[in-house]
Amino acid sequence: GAGVSQSPSNKVTEKGKDVELRCDPISGHTALYWYRQSLGQGLEFLIYFQGNSAPDKSGLPSDRFSAERTGGSVSTLTIQRTQQEDSAVYLCASSLFPITGYTEAFFGQGTRLTVV
Amino acid sequence: GENVEQHPSTLSVQEGDSAVIKCTYSDSASNYFPWYKQELGKRPQLIIDIRSNVGEKKDQRIAVTLNKTAKHFSLHITETQPEDSAVYFCAASKGGGGFKTIFGAGTRLFVKA
Repeated sequence: GAGVSQSPSNKVTEKGKDVELRCDPISGHTALYWYRQSLGQGLEFLIYFQGNSAPDKSGLPSDRFSAERTGGSVSTLTIQRTQQEDSAVYLCASSLFPITGYTEAFFGQGTRLTVV
Repeated sequence: GENVEQHPSTLSVQEGDSAVIKCTYSDSASNYFPWYKQELGKRPQLIIDIRSNVGEKKDQRIAVTLNKTAKHFSLHITETQPEDSAVYFCAASKGGGGFKTIFGAGTRLFVKA
């Protein structure tokens, strides 16, 4: 049984380079979230996809950040012109779309991004 | 917009003591309140949840309470053990269109042996 899978698990990049982070949600999960977690900090919401609806991008910290979700499944988070403050663990989570609201979010193992 | 506030940000207790983490939410339509535990270096995982039609739920040493009127919910851990040391996140969500889970900022719990 596959859970939420993220790749790569670790990424070291030079300042100014672009990076792409990938998330494979659980099959059938229509809701997908990206969060950022800096060392010792909480979950910072980035973006939320729900089915065919327009994504909620309210958490993206700057226009260097973008995300897409192709075919309602795999999602890619792209960070352009990376900065050192982008260093963090990027977590993806997916869940079923709940009619009632009662649904568990399943997290991937995260991608640890280090910008040097 | 919707918001979930969580307190305290850090909590240190002696092994065997109880720990309480509190959250408040802003959207009165929220009807589901899960709690996630994140051990060091691991992903957050659901440990217990409560629905809006219930005031309290217990599972062994952990319990959650919900006060819908005050829009408060709390996690209670009794007889704490060192393995309870982790970051705990509360969350609130609602169903239907516009559904999105909102997470609290997290509480780092240290249980001292």
